[in-house]
Amino acid sequence: EAGVVQSPRYKIIEKKQPVAFWCNPISGHNTLYWYRQNLGQGPELLIRYENEEAVDDSQLPKDRFSAERLKGVDSTLKIQPAELGDSAVYLCASSARQREGRQAFFGQGTRLTVV
Amino acid sequence: ELKVEQNPLFLSMQEGKNYTIYCNYSTTSDRLYWYRQDPGKSLESLFVLLSNGAVKQEGRLMASLDTKARLSTLHITAAVHDLSATYFCQGTYKYIFGTGTRLKVLA
Repeated sequence: EAGVVQSPRYKIIEKKQPVAFWCNPISGHNTLYWYRQNLGQGPELLIRYENEEAVDDSQLPKDRFSAERLKGVDSTLKIQPAELGDSAVYLCASSARQREGRQAFFGQGTRLTVV
Repeated sequence: ELKVEQNPLFLSMQEGKNYTIYCNYSTTSDRLYWYRQDPGKSLESLFVLLSNGAVKQEGRLMASLDTKARLSTLHITAAVHDLSATYFCQGTYKYIFGTGTRLKVLA
């Protein structure tokens, strides 16, 4: 089966500019996660979707970050405006509720550099 | 405070040796995950531990879960260079990841 697809792989923007990341989860996976990973640290959950509903966005900085998952499939994460501290790798993952343990599969990530 | 702590943070070991990585979590978690991450790469799922006493093994890696002690272990048997990577554990409460253990296996 095809894996989780993210784009772009790399993005360099100037601070105060907007940026968007796209994620296509594995077909049939109803749960989608967005994580942010800073260098040398573990990923931090930003938002988790069950189908099209955001069930946990408590760690999403809502003043500048937004996300959507239309029709419960693809998802977009947006930052506007970007700040220097937003430089990180943004990871998307998906899992299937009916799969034992809800094992998550991760995309290759988008490496964001804000200059 | 919600915490998932791993130790050691760094581990350098000789090929052929055994070692254990520990993952302590502060809040009840109904599942515990272990992942591997190679430098510059994404995360690869290794194990899903579903219940107290669960043990999973794959090759030279074995993971276990003690929910009463809120402790999971990842045991490495007869390490080989290819196991060099960063290993993370993750609980399901807020899906918090551990601090990571950077493993380097020396030939």
